[in-house]
Parts: sequence; C-alpha cells; structure tokens
Amino acid sequence: IAGITQAPTSQILAAGRRMTLRCTQDMRHNAMYWYRQDLGLGLRLIHYSNTAGTTGKGEVPDGYSVSRANTDDFPLTLASAVPSQTSVYFCASRKRGGSTDTQYFGPGTRLTVL
Amino acid sequence: GQNIDQPTEMTATEGAIVQINCTYQTSGFNGLFWYQQHAGEAPTFLSYNVLDGLEEKGRFSSFLSRSKGYSYLLLKELQMKDSASYLCAVRDSNYQLIWGAGTKLIIKP
Repeated sequence: IAGITQAPTSQILAAGRRMTLRCTQDMRHNAMYWYRQDLGLGLRLIHYSNTAGTTGKGEVPDGYSVSRANTDDFPLTLASAVPSQTSVYFCASRKRGGSTDTQYFGPGTRLTVL
Repeated sequence: GQNIDQPTEMTATEGAIVQINCTYQTSGFNGLFWYQQHAGEAPTFLSYNVLDGLEEKGRFSSFLSRSKGYSYLLLKELQMKDSASYLCAVRDSNYQLIWGAGTKLIIKP
C-alpha cells in the first residue's frame, strides 16, 4: 500500500441498507477525515479523528458514524442509507505538526443510494 | 457563518495565463490551501499560504492578503493537462479545512 486506499471504488445500494466504506493509510498520519463531495458544493466534512481512539463530528455528521481503533484505519458507516447520501466520499489524512499540515486524499468511493 | 467564494467556471487558451480568485470569511485563519482536482479523481495539493504575499512554484503561484480575505492562484504557460477544478480551502480556528465549491478551468487549444 502506498498512501491512502478506499474501498469499494463504487457501490449501488438500496435505501435502508447498512454500508461501511473502508479507508486505510500507511503513512502513519495521526489525523484522518471523511468528506462528501456533491456537484456545486465544496467538500463537506462528515467526521474526523485527530488521533487513534478519538473521533469528532464535522459539518454534516447525521446518518454517519466512524471509529478509529488504530492509526491506519478509519471506516465510515451508513447505518440506514437514504437517497440524499448519494455522493462521492473521500477519505483524507494529515500528519499533525508538519510545516504545512497538508491533507492527502484517497481515490474516493462513488456511492449511489436508490 | 463561514464562506469561501470562487468562480464556478473559467476558460483560457493554451499557453496563456489565468488567475483564479478566492475570497473567504471564516472563524479564524490558519492558512489557505489550493488543490487541483481532475475529473473523477481525488484532490491533490498545489500550494499553501499563511503569510501575506506571493508563493511561487514553477508555473503556479499563489497570493494571499489576509486583511482583504483574498487569495488567487496564477497559472502560467497553460497546458491542456491543466484542465481541472481548482479548490480553495481555508483552515479555520478549529484547524479544520473549509472548502470552496471549486473553479472548473477549461483550456482551449
């Protein structure tokens, strides 16, 4: 693995189903983020984690949950998917304390909820 | 509230220069970032400004004026591969990134 990986690449899901989007990084970054990107809108933060064992809510957390059991993995779960959760989901990570604190992004998961 | 404004779309000619503006109103300021995003791909980091002035990186430069809440990204000697969306983001007082909707740049031969 090099950088950040996400799985699946894309998914079509029936409304009401539970879904977990996976995110793994091998850069030993302590901070990780989940964003959604919708046409005409900027990236919106769903949840974040500043370090393993801690999580926080972003701008649009409703309907989503996360966990951070270790440094590398940060899964995002939709407990009961709704059509408004159709979006492209990006996971990102950041090494806190660096000179620019740049966020690095995974390739994204395209989710369609019908 | 927090707000980042940038033009929705711009068109420029190959070999020319284009300036993409970004204005912001945020709760606190801890730096401004520019990212490039090609269609169907993830955003990738281009530049970072935390002090006023111009930062130059090859064909790309970024300018910041904190007093005016204003930044621009300058792209010189445009190439077809520069066709992409350019995202402006400000890191706020909570150290979270607030994102603009992005500017889609179309390069014509």
